[in-house]
Amino acid sequence: DADVTQTPRNRITKTGKRIMLECSQTKGHDRMYWYRQDPGLGLRLIYYSFDVKDINKGEISDGYSVSRQAQAKFSLSLESAIPNQTALYFCATSISGADTDTQYFGPGTRLTVL
Amino acid sequence: QKEVEQNSGPLSVPEGAIASLNCTYSDRGSQSFFWYRQYSGKSPELIMFIYSNGDKEDGRFTAQLNKASQYVSLLIRDSQPSDSATYLCAVSSNDYKLSFGAGTTVTVRA
Repeated sequence: DADVTQTPRNRITKTGKRIMLECSQTKGHDRMYWYRQDPGLGLRLIYYSFDVKDINKGEISDGYSVSRQAQAKFSLSLESAIPNQTALYFCATSISGADTDTQYFGPGTRLTVL
Repeated sequence: QKEVEQNSGPLSVPEGAIASLNCTYSDRGSQSFFWYRQYSGKSPELIMFIYSNGDKEDGRFTAQLNKASQYVSLLIRDSQPSDSATYLCAVSSNDYKLSFGAGTTVTVRA
């Protein structure tokens, strides 16, 4: 089945460490997104990319960076992790030209920064 | 900043009853509306989308949209324990980005 995968699924790290979260998809979608989810705050957009050469900041990009290595791969980096970046992180994809902006989510990465 | 508001709940309904979830949004230019279901610790999964005023039915789920009132709702008929989850309302202004509400937690009592 065409799918969205995220690695790692769980990660515990220490303040100041550099962390990379990876997302891969076999859906053939061109658009990819990174969100974080905190209790009571819903999903908030960190970065998004509409194709390999297009990278855009979302509403909460400070402290994060991204890389779109290929159409199917979109990585999120925390250059120097801090405790308030502890959250559930989701990657999502969508396809241009579709009838709707439906996004499909990966299984998530639970990140804990100590 | 586009705002999407939902009652946080929890909304508790008996098995077999109708669960009614509400969502309001601030951007009048919003054109597409989505309901996602999220089980605890899992990823959001699409239940349905709607972009025209009125009702849209899919099985036990009905989405209702009123653009004049900036209001979208989701009805779950014949609620089952497996419907116990958090329901996320999401809105798009056709800029290919979704703005999410914080979600409404539904508990179906057996």
